[in-house]
Amino acid sequence: DVQMTQSPSTLSASVGDRVTITCRASQSLYKWVAWYQQRPGTAPKLLIFEASRLETGVPSRFSGSRSESDTEFSLTITDLQPNDFATYYCQGYKSWASSIFGRGTRLDMK
Amino acid sequence: EMLLLESGGGLVQPGGSLRLSCTASGFTVESYSLTWVRQTPARGLEWVATISASDSTTYYADSVKGRLTISRDTSRNTLHLQMNSLRAEDTALYFCAKDKFANAVGDSFDVWGRGTAVSVSS
Repeated sequence: DVQMTQSPSTLSASVGDRVTITCRASQSLYKWVAWYQQRPGTAPKLLIFEASRLETGVPSRFSGSRSESDTEFSLTITDLQPNDFATYYCQGYKSWASSIFGRGTRLDMK
Repeated sequence: EMLLLESGGGLVQPGGSLRLSCTASGFTVESYSLTWVRQTPARGLEWVATISASDSTTYYADSVKGRLTISRDTSRNTLHLQMNSLRAEDTALYFCAKDKFANAVGDSFDVWGRGTAVSVSS
């Protein structure tokens, strides 16, 4: 089974900062990784799909990338805004239908 | 606008049953693969089950296989999750979610419901 190791588990930053969250997969996922933002009491919101494609309506301050080995994936947020302080999850979806999520990164205001 | 709305959660005793529903609007349930995902503070987000758009093939996480059944009712444009032989570890907030692409199965999820809470306890 594929495992997704997400880091860090918590991250403190200030408005205007640039932050990066990483997920490491136990095997190559090619481009099959998505990133979500979840605010308390709400459902996850899709930000990035296929590792680097920006979901419609999501600001371009959010970007995704993958390593050459297709095992390390990153979400970068530039120019942090107050609304960005939330929890972020990666999702790997290599196997037919099944998905595995990272444990989440809580982004706190410093 | 595409929307999903879950219902049917509640408190149930171990070994009991519950049926969750997820009503879709803005699209038809046979047009996209649909998935149940659950969330707990301890285990985070966990994929539970998916039903494919094309032929209604179903897929399950090992932890729920044989106890939970995903299905869809096209006449009511609704997704269901029949939950039998419930265990304490099934306690969670259950979300239904829609695949982003019409030809995918278990893709990224671009539309989510607000969730319905299930608590299994005596």
